[in-house]
Amino acid sequence: QSALTQPPSASGSPGQSVTISCTGTSSDVGAYNYVSWYQQHPGKVPKLIIYEVSQRPSGVPGRFSGSKSGNTASLTVSGLQAEDEANYYCSSSAVNYKLIFGGGTKLTVL
Amino acid sequence: QVQLVQSGAEVKKPGASVKVSCKASGYTFTGHYIYWVRQAPGQGIEWMGWINTNDGDTNYAQKFQGWVTMTRDTSISTAYMELKRLTSDDTAMYFCARVGVVGSRAFDVWGQGTMVTVSS
Repeated sequence: QSALTQPPSASGSPGQSVTISCTGTSSDVGAYNYVSWYQQHPGKVPKLIIYEVSQRPSGVPGRFSGSKSGNTASLTVSGLQAEDEANYYCSSSAVNYKLIFGGGTKLTVL
Repeated sequence: QVQLVQSGAEVKKPGASVKVSCKASGYTFTGHYIYWVRQAPGQGIEWMGWINTNDGDTNYAQKFQGWVTMTRDTSISTAYMELKRLTSDDTAMYFCARVGVVGSRAFDVWGQGTMVTVSS
């Protein structure tokens, strides 16, 4: 089972918005509303920022939002801040209760 | 507070096995699935499998079937992941994580990670 496809890198200036895509298939992203997004700073443990496509855990700023269309999920970070610079990973439920991750996107705040 | 505490770093020789523990506290252990993932140095996150901490049911990624075993001991709120026949490709940080919202497949609490190094 191949990883979900994410762009290797993304960037934006402070205050701007950036969107990171996560493309799967009709057997994972397209089939389930169980897409999650994680933020990972270097050397740190990943942190959940979006679950079930668009839900934000308590404590996660409203600048982070998620959506899905067909086989592609997206994470949008609005009002970029310096501390948003990190690696972002998507994950999706897949057939037979499996789970699959994306390859990760390195977000740079210019 | 809710936390998962993993066992310490391991150095293993090729062909050996490693068993990593993940002790839960601050919540009802049997109320949340535990997932295991790994991350090789500088690489992405790879899902390995999950265990239903209530009944012990497991589900492994196809890649790991036959050489990973996940178990739990509810009496001490601890989950385990054992990986056999290690090779250098298994050098990675191994994480356990809890699914927060039931059924969401989303990990709201993570262990601190256990570095496993495979080297002759």
